[in-house]
Amino acid sequence: VQLVESGGGLVQPGGSLRLSCGASEFTFSDWYMSWIRQAPGKGLEWISYMDGSGTYIYYADSVKGRFTISRDNAKKSLFLLMSSLRAEDTAVYYCAGTSSRGFDYWGRGTLVTVSS
Amino acid sequence: EIVLTQSPATLSLSPGERATLSCRASQSVNSYLAWYQQKPGQAPRLLIYDASNRATGIPARFSGSGSGTDFTLTINSLEPEDFAVYYCQQRSNWPPKVFTFGQGTRLEIK
Repeated sequence: VQLVESGGGLVQPGGSLRLSCGASEFTFSDWYMSWIRQAPGKGLEWISYMDGSGTYIYYADSVKGRFTISRDNAKKSLFLLMSSLRAEDTAVYYCAGTSSRGFDYWGRGTLVTVSS
Repeated sequence: EIVLTQSPATLSLSPGERATLSCRASQSVNSYLAWYQQKPGQAPRLLIYDASNRATGIPARFSGSGSGTDFTLTINSLEPEDFAVYYCQQRSNWPPKVFTFGQGTRLEIK
């Protein structure tokens, strides 16, 4: 199983960014998928997940109304559209294959820096 | 919102010793508790799920116990590669509306 995030970079406060996560060796459509982030030197924070069909979509309060999760099962890709970005959104963003066990599979992460 | 509190913040031990890490929930999470290991510069790795089940490929020296609000991760006979940061994580009934992590315990070489 391989998950590869992309799309991170430097963005100004108030700006937007779209992250992508590509999956391989993975029955992508069968899996719930999550985004989890980790601020520099800090712990882990779950921010969103969705099931394979889009029936269940949930967000952490810290990003609700600003971030949107989506997926394209045909392309085995997960996305995170981030808007109204703040300095406190600076973090490494991981995508993770999610089940009732927890976060089974993780990508290596992509760094998002929000700064002027 | 359920809060997970891990203790100690840092644990200093030597290879070969036993590590005991604690995770306490602010209210019952039944057995919906997982543990992760994270090494510097790497993504976390699932170790234990449902409080006491080892994930695929996890060595038998890792074990988890507990239910309700108090959980323990035990690592017997520490290997050099076990020194890392460990996080607990909880969820509610599947599919949950939220997942939360503890703040982590750093296991360092004494």
